[in-house]
Amino acid sequence: LAKTTQPISMDSYEGQEVNITCSHNNIATNDYITWYQQFPSQGPRFIIQGYKTKVTNEVASLFIPADRKSSTLSLPRVSLSDTAVYYCLVGLGEGFKTIFGAGTRLFVKA
Amino acid sequence: KAGVTQTPRYLIKTRGQQVTLSCSPISGHRSVSWYQQTPGQGLQFLFEYFSETQRNKGNFPGRFSGRQFSNSRSEMNVSTLELGDSALYLCASSLGDGGEAFFGQGTRLTVV
Repeated sequence: LAKTTQPISMDSYEGQEVNITCSHNNIATNDYITWYQQFPSQGPRFIIQGYKTKVTNEVASLFIPADRKSSTLSLPRVSLSDTAVYYCLVGLGEGFKTIFGAGTRLFVKA
Repeated sequence: KAGVTQTPRYLIKTRGQQVTLSCSPISGHRSVSWYQQTPGQGLQFLFEYFSETQRNKGNFPGRFSGRQFSNSRSEMNVSTLELGDSALYLCASSLGDGGEAFFGQGTRLTVV
C-alpha cells in the first residue's frame, strides 16, 4: 500500500482557500486517492475521491497531476467549522484496507 | 437512511478483562472495518470483514479479534485488556469496493 506524506498542520483564515497537498510516490496503477475529514471525538467523514485529473463536489476539489504521485485537496472559502484533521489515503479500488496517515491538522482562524 | 451505529458509546474495564464492541453498518453495506484511534498512534487499521469473512487484517496482536454476522453486523473482541488498549474504537461500513466509507461515532474504551 502506498505511503502518504502530508503537512502536519496548517493555519488559515475564514474566507480563504486552503490547499492541502499529499505525496504518494509509490502509488499503484489501480489505487484511488481519498480524503477524509475528522472532528474531535467523531469518526472520519468522506470528503472526496479521485483517480486522475480533477474531481469536484459540493464541498471540495481534488487535483491529481498526470504522474499521480501527489494530490491536492482544495477547500474553497473555509470557515471556522472547517477546523479539523484531514487525511489523505491511497488504496485499491477493491479490497478495503485503508491505512490512515497522521493527517493534516487545519486550524481556521477568525 | 440510518447511519453506522456503535454500541456502547463509552466503556470502562479493568486490566485483564475482555470486552466486546458492536457495530451495525448501513443497510446494504457488506464491508465493516475496525480502527483504533489513540492520541499517540493516530488511526490504526484493525481488520475488515466482508460478507462474514475477514478480508484484511492490520498489525494487532491476537487478543484483538472480530466477526461478522449474516446481517453484516460486526463485533470486535479484545481479551486480556491492557492499559494501552484505552482508545476510541471506530467502525466503518461500505459497499466494500474501496469507495466511500461511513464511520460510526465510536466506542471510547478506558482500561483502568
